[in-house]
Amino acid sequence: QQQVKQSPQSLIVQKGGISIINCAYENTAFDYFPWYQQFPGKGPALLIAIRPDVSEKKEGRFTISFNKSAKQFSLHIMDSQPGDSATYFCAARGYSSASKIIFGSGTRLSIRP
Amino acid sequence: DAGITQSPRHKVTETGTPVTLRCHQTENHRYMYWYRQDPGHGLRLIHYSYGVKDTDKGEVSDGYSVSRSKTEDFLLTLESATSSQTSVYFCAISQWTSGNEDTQYFGPGTRLTVL
Repeated sequence: QQQVKQSPQSLIVQKGGISIINCAYENTAFDYFPWYQQFPGKGPALLIAIRPDVSEKKEGRFTISFNKSAKQFSLHIMDSQPGDSATYFCAARGYSSASKIIFGSGTRLSIRP
Repeated sequence: DAGITQSPRHKVTETGTPVTLRCHQTENHRYMYWYRQDPGHGLRLIHYSYGVKDTDKGEVSDGYSVSRSKTEDFLLTLESATSSQTSVYFCAISQWTSGNEDTQYFGPGTRLTVL
């Protein structure tokens, strides 16, 4: 079965620090790797995404690092803020017309003031 | 939020009863999805639809059925609810951007408790 493995399960970071969440995948047919952010009581929302033909993508304080040979990718949140406290999901999608996405198990991030 | 609503938002039911959850979208999206979210499992795909009356199974489809008689509505039915189906259910749609990239947008969720 296709899987995306995510770690850690939970993470506590001081305000201003760097938050790092890691994911690994198995299926080399995956062609799109989004990260979703979810606040309590809300649905997940797309945060940032990357394709495997680039090694890094940065949007503001959020950066995805992608290592195709190792089949790993990670989310880095620079200058972490209390408002970043949420659950983060990495995900992967294989090429198909149905756009089915496989999600990691999630990381609950808490930023301490 | 891509114009997605879910109803009901909360429901408590008893084991063995039928339950139907509704997802409604206002922007004529072709693809719609039902996920369940459980601690330690992330989001898992139950069923999806690629058009009116066109549906297919996801990874956790046992015990669930779906129907899509109109573009805007995607219904998820638990024919005989079990306690293992206690979960938060999310509906999602796919929307393509100008860069030929598709993004899934999620509804607000339905919290279902089966006693």
